[in-house]
Amino acid sequence: GENVEQHPSTLSVQEGDSAVIKCTYSDSASNYFPWYKQELGKGPQLIIDIRSNVGEKKDQRIAVTLNKTAKHFSLHITETQPEDSAVYFCAAGGTSYGKLTFGQGTILTVHP
Amino acid sequence: DTAVSQTPKYLVTQMGNDKSIKCEQNLGHDTMYWYKQDSKKFLKIMFSYNNKELIINETVPNRFSPKSPDKAHLNLHINSLELGDSAVYFCASSPTKDFYEQYFGPGTRLTVT
Repeated sequence: GENVEQHPSTLSVQEGDSAVIKCTYSDSASNYFPWYKQELGKGPQLIIDIRSNVGEKKDQRIAVTLNKTAKHFSLHITETQPEDSAVYFCAAGGTSYGKLTFGQGTILTVHP
Repeated sequence: DTAVSQTPKYLVTQMGNDKSIKCEQNLGHDTMYWYKQDSKKFLKIMFSYNNKELIINETVPNRFSPKSPDKAHLNLHINSLELGDSAVYFCASSPTKDFYEQYFGPGTRLTVT
């Protein structure tokens, strides 16, 4: 089955810096790659996603890039703010109805 | 006007008991899911229903039994609870089974003592 590796497990940045989280996947048939943000005590919230027919997608301060050949995708957050502090998860899907395989999560801390 | 809601939010019970968690979505979605998040925050899918039909059934002990009375509701019943069942259980929904966005509920923290 699909396996998703996510790095780093923790990331600490100063407010205003950029943050990058990387994920690799194993199944070349996967074609949908969402990113979720989970704040303390809440459920994961979809923040951006990308499909395999697109190499990059941007939404204000966040962007995702996909390299299908290398089977990796990344989340980029620019001009980080303290409210960006949360756990971020990548996921991969497309090989089985509705099934998403999640990465291990990255704890992002943005220091004011 | 909560999109995906779960009850209860917290559940503390003893080993061997049977308990249920309920989930409802008001988004008009066809597909609903149950996920388990362990103490290390790892999220893993357990079940998925599409229009009341089970479409994903991961390797989960048969003490866990999902039920979908209609496409807006998905419940999770757990028999003979064990210490290892302690986790946060999330319900989610998506418009269809074909990888559209999944919307998560707030979670139910289950503690088995």
